[in-house]
Amino acid sequence: EAGVTQFPSHSVIEKGQTVTLRCDPISGHDNLYWYRRVMGKEIKFLLHFVKESKQDESGMPNNRFLAERTGGTYSTLKVQPAELEDSGVYFCASSHWTDSYEQYFGPGTRLTVT
Amino acid sequence: AQSVAQPEDQVNVAEGNPLTVKCTYSVSGNPYLFWYVQYPNRGLQFLLKYITGDNLVKGSYGFEAEFNKSQTSFHLKKPSALVSDSALYFCAFESSNTGKLIFGQGTTLQVKP
Repeated sequence: EAGVTQFPSHSVIEKGQTVTLRCDPISGHDNLYWYRRVMGKEIKFLLHFVKESKQDESGMPNNRFLAERTGGTYSTLKVQPAELEDSGVYFCASSHWTDSYEQYFGPGTRLTVT
Repeated sequence: AQSVAQPEDQVNVAEGNPLTVKCTYSVSGNPYLFWYVQYPNRGLQFLLKYITGDNLVKGSYGFEAEFNKSQTSFHLKKPSALVSDSALYFCAFESSNTGKLIFGQGTTLQVKP
């Protein structure tokens, strides 16, 4: 069974540009989460999808961040326009609806905004 | 605010010695607590969880953790460390049955031969 995959693994962009991160969850997992770790700090929750619906987006920093999960499969997280403080590692995780306690994480996308 | 804390940025242990990575929590009600590990260039991997029941929880790779309500702690332990255990360890709790994980800052474990 394939795990959670994320693309790209690294992205370096300039301030003001747009970047789109993609997450493919484990097949059949209804729950999809986005998290972010800014350098050396704790991993912070961004949002939670159940299928294609946003269940909780309380962690989204501001309206420069837009997450979608069309069709309830893969998800994208767009940052537009990117700011320096958006740099960090963005993790995606998924879980089955019967066991939401065990989340499976992807390898993360390291975003650097210069 | 509810939180978990990992008081040590780094823990150094000699191979073969027991290891402990500390975690304390400040969570109301009955906390659901977790440990995750991140190896270099990999995603976070689930190690173990405490939901209810026995206070001693056994997980992957020989790790275990003890839920201590009186000390509000959930320390991660292993009787005999391996060099391959060197990684970044995160303690977390689930917020209010939502699936949302709240993480500590992480502790880097270095196991030296």
